[in-house]
Amino acid sequence: DQQVKQNSPSLSVQEGRISILNCDYTNSMFDYFLWYKKYPAEGPTFLISISSIKDKNEDGRFTVFLNKSAKHLSLHIVPSQPGDSAVYFCAAKANAGGTSYGKLTFGQGTILTVHP
Amino acid sequence: KAGVTQTPRYLIKTRGQQVTLSCSPISGHRSVSWYQQTPGQGLQFLFEYFSETQRNKGNFPGRFSGRQFSNSRSEMNVSTLELGDSALYLCASSSLAGVQETQYFGPGTRLLVL
Repeated sequence: DQQVKQNSPSLSVQEGRISILNCDYTNSMFDYFLWYKKYPAEGPTFLISISSIKDKNEDGRFTVFLNKSAKHLSLHIVPSQPGDSAVYFCAAKANAGGTSYGKLTFGQGTILTVHP
Repeated sequence: KAGVTQTPRYLIKTRGQQVTLSCSPISGHRSVSWYQQTPGQGLQFLFEYFSETQRNKGNFPGRFSGRQFSNSRSEMNVSTLELGDSALYLCASSSLAGVQETQYFGPGTRLLVL
């Protein structure tokens, strides 16, 4: 039962354009969401997060949008740069009476390629 | 601040052996979580420690265990290694154990079981 899904295995965009990465979830107990960037054989690097009480969070070129009713979040990167090429994971945390401490549930990742 | 550090970075073991991986969290962080990444299963949660207590555990067999020391450093152990245990093992730390705390990851330990 995959509770966090990234349905696009890969995405290719041109430098300077917008990259939009999508993530869907099924567990209504999730209330904190994070995006990580990862290179092969390295640990994930935190990019941006959003709480379920918000619908948008922005940090520089990165913006995350959350649609709770649709159980959908997206990461926008504007403008995209070749250095953004990596695997992007969305992750979610649940607030289940405190029993989900420290547990991130990850999507399968989307490979982003930004062409010069 | 120094980031999360993990040792060793690479490890080769044979089936049946046991292995211990180490993780030092960011200074001041008290929560340490462990994850396994494999091509087939993706990133999966192993367990989380806070103040030397295991707070949460994922769906892994009892061969996978861990502990946390008073200085927040953590170790995970895998006994009776199987070929399927070959993976990238990642450690993450956060300052508290609350729900809305960001976890910061180390570089991982690549384990190969032959």
